[in-house]
Amino acid sequence: SQTIHQWPATLVQPVGSPLSLECTVEGTSNPNLYWYRQAAGRGLQLLFYSVGIGQISSEVPQNLSASRPQDRQFILSSKKLLLSDSGFYLCAWSVLGGYGYTFGSGTRLTVV
Amino acid sequence: AQSVAQPEDQVNVAEGNPLTVKCTYSVSGNPYLFWYVQYPNRGLQFLLKYITGDNLVKGSYGFEAEFNKSQTSFHLKKPSALVSDSALYFCAVRGILTGGGNKLTFGTGTQLKVEL
Repeated sequence: SQTIHQWPATLVQPVGSPLSLECTVEGTSNPNLYWYRQAAGRGLQLLFYSVGIGQISSEVPQNLSASRPQDRQFILSSKKLLLSDSGFYLCAWSVLGGYGYTFGSGTRLTVV
Repeated sequence: AQSVAQPEDQVNVAEGNPLTVKCTYSVSGNPYLFWYVQYPNRGLQFLLKYITGDNLVKGSYGFEAEFNKSQTSFHLKKPSALVSDSALYFCAVRGILTGGGNKLTFGTGTQLKVEL
């Protein structure tokens, strides 16, 4: 069966420090991968998506970047965190042509 | 572009009573609609989806949703609420990303509180 792993679960980082959040999927090949941010425990904003290795599309301009070095690995990064980067980050995957997403358990990022 | 509206920030219901969480959508083409549930500090869990077929869709944990094309609605329902149903509920509609892949556009969420 397919599973999605996301880590770390929580992270407290100072302003100006770098960031690396990792997401991996098991049990499927060539998934579509997504990074969402949930601010203030509410709305979900799509940040990045990827339909294949090395293919990254950004939905909104921001201080973050994403990479997909392997088929089932999706990384969210920042060179210098801002206070406004705080939030709950969710990774998700879907199959090509599929209808819904499966979400990871999320990373709570607090920038101090 | 597609959009979803969840008009209620919070819904309160007594345990054992029926519950409804409202959702309306806007999308060009056929609507593919979803409900997800989120417990505190957790990822979203899939409840049910409407792709085609019967307007009444049954999902996990006794939840169901009614698709109404004329009213562009997809309300989530449960005949008898449980305290354990208390969580944040998201409605979503699928669209197509310009770079390929499917984009789920989510509503702002409705906090369901079930009280004894």
